[in-house]
Amino acid sequence: LAKTTQPISMDSYEGQEVNITCSHNNIATNDYITWYQQFPSQGPRFIIQGYKTKVTNEVASLFIPADRKSSTLSLPRVSLSDTAVYYCLVGPAVQGGKLIFGQGTELSVKP
Amino acid sequence: EPEVTQTPSHQVTQMGQEVILRCVPISNHLYFYWYRQILGQKVEFLVSFYNNEISEKSEIFDDQFSVERPDGSNFTLKIRSTKLEDSAMYFCASSGEVGLGETQYFGPGTRLLVL
Repeated sequence: LAKTTQPISMDSYEGQEVNITCSHNNIATNDYITWYQQFPSQGPRFIIQGYKTKVTNEVASLFIPADRKSSTLSLPRVSLSDTAVYYCLVGPAVQGGKLIFGQGTELSVKP
Repeated sequence: EPEVTQTPSHQVTQMGQEVILRCVPISNHLYFYWYRQILGQKVEFLVSFYNNEISEKSEIFDDQFSVERPDGSNFTLKIRSTKLEDSAMYFCASSGEVGLGETQYFGPGTRLLVL
């Protein structure tokens, strides 16, 4: 499984757009990029998944350059409730496959 | 929206005691998992389960651990003789509703404290 590197922490203010970049230089051809969010004392929650270019849903956007060696999770207009740890995971999208979590990025949104 | 549920939310036990953590996965899901997270550390994979048998397990999942799907809805994790280092949040997850991809949905967790 490809190793991922992301910032340990980030600070932002309400209403700002937040971009969290994840490096995954050894991503394999059949790997997908998935982001999860975790609030304190809660289980991780799926945010978004992509393979290449751009993916957007009601919560976030995921930008993946052509070489796929990095990806950026974009959270538009964050609020205090977006304060959480965000994990970038890279691996094959197979049924039953284990998820390998790193340390994640602790996002703190301030008023 | 369907969700994974777990009971109990908190469990305190004495070292050496057996504990059973319970999970109700999302109905129609076919794959089930247990993860744990020691306070301040990463979420770690323990075991995956499909078609009534273990698909994969990590080094953490030793002989003290077992999983079972005793009926059509529950999925349990048993720790036979708890150790202090088993204190952690334990998360159940499920995935694999046919045709809807492999996204894993996590439960709220059980906080286990071993004294």
